[in-house]
Amino acid sequence: AQSVTQLDSQVPVFEEAPVELRCNYSSSVSVYLFWYVQYPNQGLQLLLKYLSGSTLVKGINGFEAEFNKSQTSFHLRKPSVHISDTAEYFCAVSSHTGTASKLTFGTGTRLQVTL
Amino acid sequence: DVKVTQSSRYLVKRTGEKVFLECVQDMDHENMFWYRQDPGLGLRLIYFSYDVKMKEKGDIPEGYSVSREKKERFSLILESASTNQTSMYLCASRPTHFPGNTIYFGEGSWLTVV
Repeated sequence: AQSVTQLDSQVPVFEEAPVELRCNYSSSVSVYLFWYVQYPNQGLQLLLKYLSGSTLVKGINGFEAEFNKSQTSFHLRKPSVHISDTAEYFCAVSSHTGTASKLTFGTGTRLQVTL
Repeated sequence: DVKVTQSSRYLVKRTGEKVFLECVQDMDHENMFWYRQDPGLGLRLIYFSYDVKMKEKGDIPEGYSVSREKKERFSLILESASTNQTSMYLCASRPTHFPGNTIYFGEGSWLTVV
């Protein structure tokens, strides 16, 4: 079985400050890792994903994440946030299991950016 | 661009009613999913379909059924709606079962059962 833990339910931050959203996963097999963002009243859209290769993954809107296999983590970072980054962020894990590989989500982290 | 369209954004239904949530994708994707989103619980998988007429239960299938008669359309059915099914429902699709594929989401359907 696979699972995802997002340690922070809410992260308040001032505009132009750096931010890190934490994600830890559990799986007995090799995994693929994702970060999705959900703006108010919208569906989810992909920020970035890790499949293989370089452990540092760059995504849209200046976000990046680092895959750390030994710590089973995939933390999301941005060096300088903007008001428009206010949204809910979901970490997710997928692997080769069964007939169709399922994507398991964390409970989400709400990023609140203020002036 | 991939487009996943959910037919209703906001619905209000009465307890005991049969409810249909419709979803259409326009990119010939094999896999389709229905998730439920609740505050503090994240997204939970209700059902997924890996091909036409093929379906598999997710983590919380009780009280729901699905139908996939055509590749582009995946319907979620609440046989007898209850108040604890008040939630945001998200449809999604993926090109194939390869787990590294991106999953594309619709904008969601807010269902209130009164």
